[in-house]
Amino acid sequence: AQTVTQSQPEMSVQEAETVTLSCTYDTSESDYYLFWYKQPPSRQMILVIRQEAYKQQNATENRFSVNFQKAAKSFSLKISDSQLGDAAMYFCAYRTYTGGGADGLTFGKGTHLIIQP
Amino acid sequence: GAGVSQTPSNKVTEKGKYVELRCDPISGHTALYWYRQSLGQGPEFLIYFQGTGAADDSGLPNDRFFAVRPEGSVSTLKIQRTERGDSAVYLCASSLTGVGGRDGELFFGEGSRLTVL
Repeated sequence: AQTVTQSQPEMSVQEAETVTLSCTYDTSESDYYLFWYKQPPSRQMILVIRQEAYKQQNATENRFSVNFQKAAKSFSLKISDSQLGDAAMYFCAYRTYTGGGADGLTFGKGTHLIIQP
Repeated sequence: GAGVSQTPSNKVTEKGKYVELRCDPISGHTALYWYRQSLGQGPEFLIYFQGTGAADDSGLPNDRFFAVRPEGSVSTLKIQRTERGDSAVYLCASSLTGVGGRDGELFFGEGSRLTVL
């Protein structure tokens, strides 16, 4: 079974600064997907960014980018120019390449991101 | 509908009572997932439907939990003889196909917060 570890329960950053959230995972598979989800107080999980394991290039979505280190099984999220609206819980998640059912998504425990004005 | 809809948003019940939580997925999505999110944790898989059938119910914690999707659209999660430990947010997600790739991407509802007194 796959596991996802987020070692930072809480992170704080000044508005407009850059912050990096850490995630490591354990798997024996070579093909899979990795995701970062944002969960604001509304509770809805919102997809921030995805990475296919077979792609060497790190994914980027506007102010959000990842540092994917496949050999180290590390998948960190960098948020540039932090905004007040970025404040939320952030979850790292893993999905098998063929993945349905219990392989749909495996989540970490989350990191609470605080943005200081 | 435009998104995944879950009702009720909040439910407070007494220990030993029966509850039903409803999920209305995005129209046309064949795959539907239920997750449970306890306080301070990431979501944990409960059950996965492909069409009308439960393709994987390995995450249901015990026989007090049951879910149905009789017409392949709306799903109901049913909890009998509720216990205080059942208190959590129950998230529903749907995807177009339920398999890997972008068609398998999960879209989440805002969850139902269950509180058992």
